[in-house]
Amino acid sequence: SQQGEEDPQALSIQEGENATMNCSYKTSINNLQWYRQNSGRGLVHLILIRSNEREKHSGRLRVTLDTSKKSSSLLITASRAADTASYFCALETSGSRLTFGEGTQLTVNP
Amino acid sequence: DVKVTQSSRYLVKRTGEKVFLECVQDMDHENMFWYRQDPGLGLRLIYFSYDVKMKEKGDIPEGYSVSREKKERFSLILESASTNQTSMYLCASSLSGTGSIQYFGAGTRLSVL
Repeated sequence: SQQGEEDPQALSIQEGENATMNCSYKTSINNLQWYRQNSGRGLVHLILIRSNEREKHSGRLRVTLDTSKKSSSLLITASRAADTASYFCALETSGSRLTFGEGTQLTVNP
Repeated sequence: DVKVTQSSRYLVKRTGEKVFLECVQDMDHENMFWYRQDPGLGLRLIYFSYDVKMKEKGDIPEGYSVSREKKERFSLILESASTNQTSMYLCASSLSGTGSIQYFGAGTRLSVL
């Protein structure tokens, strides 16, 4: 399967703590993207990291990519209740088509 | 801002009915996608289109067809709805080429009774 596998499936933390989500995959990729989905809504793009990049930052988000281990992690620092959502990694292996993982459900408790 | 609009947020249909789900994007994107999302299965690609009148099967095309007569509109058709097609359907669009970000609609929650 070209699908990414997220870990953990669910994560519950307190406001102010950091949240780390991981994505592992089995194929070669062009890039890896992270998306967020609020309950019952569409997905929103967060960050893209290319296969030749190791780390990217965007605000409170930090993404790492280790192509030798075929894994990526998404770190959300100083989490807020509004960060409660599902987070998906998406693999681009060819063209514009993405393959999404099953997601990590993050709950940030006030 | 890119806007992807799905025609209905909630839809209830009967088994055997023909169902049309419509999606419109306003950013002149070449690519459009239809996914279904089910608990424990994540997003699965049904069909995508990279140009007007062009379509390619995704991972789960059985029981579905699509139509793209205009660049901004991509329709998903359930020829004869079945209960196992009860799901959340998400439409997305993107520019062509690698590194393209997909922009999603709000989703249509379809119940087939």
